Amino acid sequence: QKEVEQDPGPLSVPEGAIVSLNCTYSNSAFQYFMWYRQYSRKGPELLMYTYSSGNKEDGRFTAQVDKSSKYISLFIRDSQPSDSATYLCAMSVTLGRLYFGRGTQLTVWP
Amino acid sequence: EAQVTQNPRYLITVTGKKLTVTCSQNMNHEYMSWYRQDPGLGLRQIYYSMNVEVTDKGDVPEGYKVSRKEKRNFPLILESPSPNQTSLYFCASSLVSTSDEQYFGPGTRLTVT
Repeated sequence: QKEVEQDPGPLSVPEGAIVSLNCTYSNSAFQYFMWYRQYSRKGPELLMYTYSSGNKEDGRFTAQVDKSSKYISLFIRDSQPSDSATYLCAMSVTLGRLYFGRGTQLTVWP
Repeated sequence: EAQVTQNPRYLITVTGKKLTVTCSQNMNHEYMSWYRQDPGLGLRQIYYSMNVEVTDKGDVPEGYKVSRKEKRNFPLILESPSPNQTSLYFCASSLVSTSDEQYFGPGTRLTVT
């Protein structure tokens, strides 16, 4: 079993939709949780970072961490075609080794 | 301009021929890391370095070597490449750790025949 599980999709939604992306994990020691966005032929870029449990909001993006369920989510409100990308969750125990999910490919069509 | 550079961007080589992929950052970052990305497997960490002369294994270190002799450079060495090391490789750096924003390089596409 992989440390981090993420449904690869693909996910296709109309512009303006609310998008929900999720990851589950098996290691209860994870305490740093991140979401990265990767456009085609580019390196990933950090979108959201959360330490331990709770919610974090940044514009149209909300990250949630539920440590009791070992489940993290990323919500995108009012999705735009420019949000079309692959979204990767990542998490770590210590401040060095990082575990990524497989990534979910999202397409937002006009 | 703040950036992470990797060279070469594309490389086709043969089994067993030693190669080095260079990575350099100009942001005075302490932390650097190497990843490989494969279809269906996502990003997997190969090695990381918390500072000069301090390196540690990631998820998939077998068949790879690294060194951190200078803060700005973190080369990835494949002593005897094999076809299963055909992949897209990314170098990344951040100020202190994985919890800081990591800046990724443009990627190196390696094919081993």
